[in-house]
Amino acid sequence: ETVLTQSPATLSVSPGDRVTLSCRASQSVGGNFAWYQQKPGQSPRVVIYDTSTRATGVSARFSGSGSGTEFTLTIGSLQSEDFAVYYCQQYDGWPTFGQGTRLEIK
Amino acid sequence: EVQLVESGGGLVQRGGSLRLSCAAYGFSFSRYWMSWARQAPGKGLEWVAKIKPDESEKYYVDSVKGRFTVSRDNAEESLYLQMNSLRDDDAAVYYCVLLLQGITYWGQGTRVTVSS
Repeated sequence: ETVLTQSPATLSVSPGDRVTLSCRASQSVGGNFAWYQQKPGQSPRVVIYDTSTRATGVSARFSGSGSGTEFTLTIGSLQSEDFAVYYCQQYDGWPTFGQGTRLEIK
Repeated sequence: EVQLVESGGGLVQRGGSLRLSCAAYGFSFSRYWMSWARQAPGKGLEWVAKIKPDESEKYYVDSVKGRFTVSRDNAEESLYLQMNSLRDDDAAVYYCVLLLQGITYWGQGTRVTVSS
């Protein structure tokens, strides 16, 4: 099973900031990588899939990059609706998730 | 549009059983692998089980092997999860999920609470 490690666990930021979330895989997952946003009481929502493809309806503020074992999600100019928990996921075989990064308002 | 609707969650005693159901809409259910995932209160996401379209292959996370059984009815476009010998750490919101071309589609979830 591929273990995903996200950093940091919590990020305190201000609206308008640019942030980068990181995720490291214990083994290569190729490009089979996604990022999900989850708000309280809601199901996860895909933001990025196939490492760098924005999902339908997702703002261009969101971008994903990486390969192999190192991946990042960058959110430019944070808006109030972006404050949530973000999970990384690999789907190269049995899907696994990172433990999440919580974006909170500073 | 993909829509997944779970049902069957509730309060169950430790050691008890529960059967979750998922009704699928908006895609060719019989063509795709289907899965269950879960999220314990305040915790992260965990893939629990997956099943091939013809039911010839089924896979489970180690913690539920021998206790949970995934099945499907392609004619009814439904997915099921039979959960036996429930433990405290099985308490979670259970999601019916479809992984399709890199995107995981989620239902709204059904909550399972385990009481002692």
